[in-house]
Amino acid sequence: AQSVTQPDIHITVSEGASLELRCNYSYGATPYLFWYVQSPGQGLQLLLKYFSGDTLVQGIKGFEAEFKRSQSSFNLRKPSVHWSDAAEYFCAVGAGTSGTYKYIFGTGTRLKVLA
Amino acid sequence: EADIYQTPRYLVIGTGKKITLECSQTMGHDKMYWYQQDPGMELHLIHYSYGVNSTEKGDLSSESTVSRIRTEHFPLTLESARPSHTSQYLCASIRGGGAGEQFFGPGTRLTVL
Repeated sequence: AQSVTQPDIHITVSEGASLELRCNYSYGATPYLFWYVQSPGQGLQLLLKYFSGDTLVQGIKGFEAEFKRSQSSFNLRKPSVHWSDAAEYFCAVGAGTSGTYKYIFGTGTRLKVLA
Repeated sequence: EADIYQTPRYLVIGTGKKITLECSQTMGHDKMYWYQQDPGMELHLIHYSYGVNSTEKGDLSSESTVSRIRTEHFPLTLESARPSHTSQYLCASIRGGGAGEQFFGPGTRLTVL
């Protein structure tokens, strides 16, 4: 069965430090992969996505992610974190065919940024 | 900017009441989804629709029902609310034709007393 694992429930970093959020997936075929961010009381906003091609993808707000098929991973990175990045981050896998398409989400990683 | 709306944003209601959570999108998307999200937890798919008159139950069993009479509208109804229904409900949509970015509404936080 398809699944997404985000091993870190909480992460705390200092402003200006680098960030890496981990995501591992289980899926039989080539996955569609997403990272979303959720601010308190809000819906989810797409940061970036991977469908095919270059395994390093750039997203909004200075985020990037690298797809590593051999490790079944899609880790999110940012070289220098800003206080406004404090939020919850969700990794997701898109599974199925065009006719029956569903998304599977990880449990999320809550990011705290210290001033 | 995604144009997907949910109302109400917050709802506190007593046990046994019937409620409808509204979700509308102006993007003409065929696929729409309802998720239930508890604090600190992942999103659980409870309903989805691939177009008008198409609705399916999701992976998480839910006592709610949905309808899709118009492309832009995907309301969720609870016939008799219970405290176990207390949660955040998120609506999302994507364009037809397969994988793509899900656009999310701001969510409805439901509390059943």
